Amino acid sequence: GQNIDQPTEMTATEGAIVQINCTYQTSGFNGLFWYQQHAGEAPTFLSYNVLDGLEEKGRFSSFLSRSKGYSYLLLKELQMKDSASYLCAVRDSNYQLIWGAGTKLIIKP
Amino acid sequence: IAGITQAPTSQILAAGRRMTLRCTQDMRHNAMYWYRQDLGLGLRLIHYSNTAGTTGKGEVPDGYSVSRANTDDFPLTLASAVPSQTSVYFCASSDSGTSGSGELFFGEGSRLTVL
Repeated sequence: GQNIDQPTEMTATEGAIVQINCTYQTSGFNGLFWYQQHAGEAPTFLSYNVLDGLEEKGRFSSFLSRSKGYSYLLLKELQMKDSASYLCAVRDSNYQLIWGAGTKLIIKP
Repeated sequence: IAGITQAPTSQILAAGRRMTLRCTQDMRHNAMYWYRQDLGLGLRLIHYSNTAGTTGKGEVPDGYSVSRANTDDFPLTLASAVPSQTSVYFCASSDSGTSGSGELFFGEGSRLTVL
């Protein structure tokens, strides 16, 4: 079966760096997405990786290793507003998105 | 700029009643989706439409139906609601052309409680 694994919850300190991991086993691979979802709101797009390596976008970076079925989202200079759930999703060979359950990130002052 | 509009934002209804969740987008995206989100689970695809006039079943289609009469609208109907359909429902759209990532744009969600 297809599976996306990510930690359920993480805690970090304001101003610090946090890495949220995502491992996947899917039927084919056509890209990996990270979305941010604040409580009670809709998910919003953060990043997209289709080739191996690091994609940097401001304070957020996303890394992909297709051979290892692994990605991480790196958040630098954490701010209180970064408290949210972070969703990892993989597009499979049928171009359908397979979603992880999300990682709830708690930022403490 | 509206993006995707869902209605209602919240609804409580009795089991056995029929309910339609509305979804409208103004981005001219060809693909649209309905997901449900439940605590501890990832987003689960209910139905999708790759283009106007076509629909397909997702991971959890039972008890739900959709139609796609035009590009902009993609309503989701629960023919006879059951308590297990209590959830938050998200409509999404994407431009599924060959360029770009084809990321999803989500509506604000419809919180449905079936008693």
